[in-house]
Amino acid sequence: DAGVTQSPTHLIKTRGQQVTLRCSPKSGHDTVSWYQQALGQGPQFIFQYYEEEERQRGNFPDRFSGHQFPNYSSELNVNALLLGDSALYLCASSLAGLGSYGYTFGSGTRLTVV
Amino acid sequence: QKEVEQNSGPLSVPEGAIASLNCTYSDRVSQSFFWYRQYSGKSPELIMSIYSNGDKEDGRFTAQLNKASQYVSLLIRDSQPSDSATYLCAVRSSNTGKLIFGQGTTLQVKP
Repeated sequence: DAGVTQSPTHLIKTRGQQVTLRCSPKSGHDTVSWYQQALGQGPQFIFQYYEEEERQRGNFPDRFSGHQFPNYSSELNVNALLLGDSALYLCASSLAGLGSYGYTFGSGTRLTVV
Repeated sequence: QKEVEQNSGPLSVPEGAIASLNCTYSDRVSQSFFWYRQYSGKSPELIMSIYSNGDKEDGRFTAQLNKASQYVSLLIRDSQPSDSATYLCAVRSSNTGKLIFGQGTTLQVKP
């Protein structure tokens, strides 16, 4: 049973560039949530996708956008990168209606903006 | 006020002792509560979930929930050096469905 898969594992980008991160949810899961975790902090909720639509959004600027595909996989896009965007980006999957069972996290993408 | 609050620590306990980790939350309609363990450089791993007031035990771990006080805790009995990690408290609101995390408490278990 495949868990949550994220790619790439590490990424270095220059300020002002754009980046796309990818996530494949755990088999059987249909909901994908994205989190940003800065060093020494807890994960911060970016947004959640279900049925190919953004259902919930955290306090992140419009530079952060996403997409969910019919196979439930998802992408996180960040435009006009800032140094402060350097963080571990985590994808978590769950089954709609059963989110009370908790989310399963991928191994994350470490983004460094220089 | 933060939605989910934890003492960042570090909390240091000797091997074999009981480690007690605490968390408070602000959203009264929260229904689901989780404890995740995160080793340095790794992603969070779910270790306990609790939905009703009272205690829930799983091996060396016990989660405690008091909705009236908006308080949830995690006890780790017979702490081992391998338990050294950051423990994240997460709360899911039934209104929004979002899973909100605290900043985590770093636990150090010393041999």
